[in-house]
Amino acid sequence: DQQVKQNSPSLSVQEGRISILNCDYTNSMFDYFLWYKKYPAEGPTFLISISSIKDKNEDGRFTVFLNKSAKHLSLHIVPSQPGDSAVYFCAASPNTDKLIFGTGTRLQVFP
Amino acid sequence: GAVVSQHPSWVICKSGTSVKIECRSLDFQATTMFWYRQFPKQSLMLMATSNEGSKATYEQGVEKDKFLINHASLTLSTLTVTSAHPEDSSFYICSARGIRLNYGYTFGSGTRLTVV
Repeated sequence: DQQVKQNSPSLSVQEGRISILNCDYTNSMFDYFLWYKKYPAEGPTFLISISSIKDKNEDGRFTVFLNKSAKHLSLHIVPSQPGDSAVYFCAASPNTDKLIFGTGTRLQVFP
Repeated sequence: GAVVSQHPSWVICKSGTSVKIECRSLDFQATTMFWYRQFPKQSLMLMATSNEGSKATYEQGVEKDKFLINHASLTLSTLTVTSAHPEDSSFYICSARGIRLNYGYTFGSGTRLTVV
């Protein structure tokens, strides 16, 4: 039972343009959401997070949007850079407990 | 910032042997540590949650007698894969969360286990 899903396994974006990565969840008990960037054979690196009491959080080039009614969140990266190429995971946490990860989206930013 | 050190980064072992993976929080006290495994091109699957000084809580389908987790101190947790088999070959990652609950989940760099 995949409680956190990223339906797009891959995304290709031109440098300078916006990258939008999407994530859907099923468990209404999730109250905190995070995005991680991951390279092969390395641990995930934290990017940005959002609490369920907010609908938007921004940090530099990264913005996360949360739509609780739709149980959907997205990560916007603008402008995209080649160094952003990696696998991105969204994760959700119920009541400050463990993290449940999505299936990941491989982002490729080309020149 | 918070740093989690995980060792070894890779290990090859023979079937039937046991392998221990260490996860250390270097500059903070980790009250809770999480162990994940990742198969190629798949998500990170939570295996177990351990709190310092108490028994680990395993996720459904994870054999606690096969994957022994010890969290004896606030800076160290270990995962021991006992009687390893080729199907245990995977990428194992630990994560630590500190006393200050600011949603800081810091991850280790992972361990690639290959059982031959």
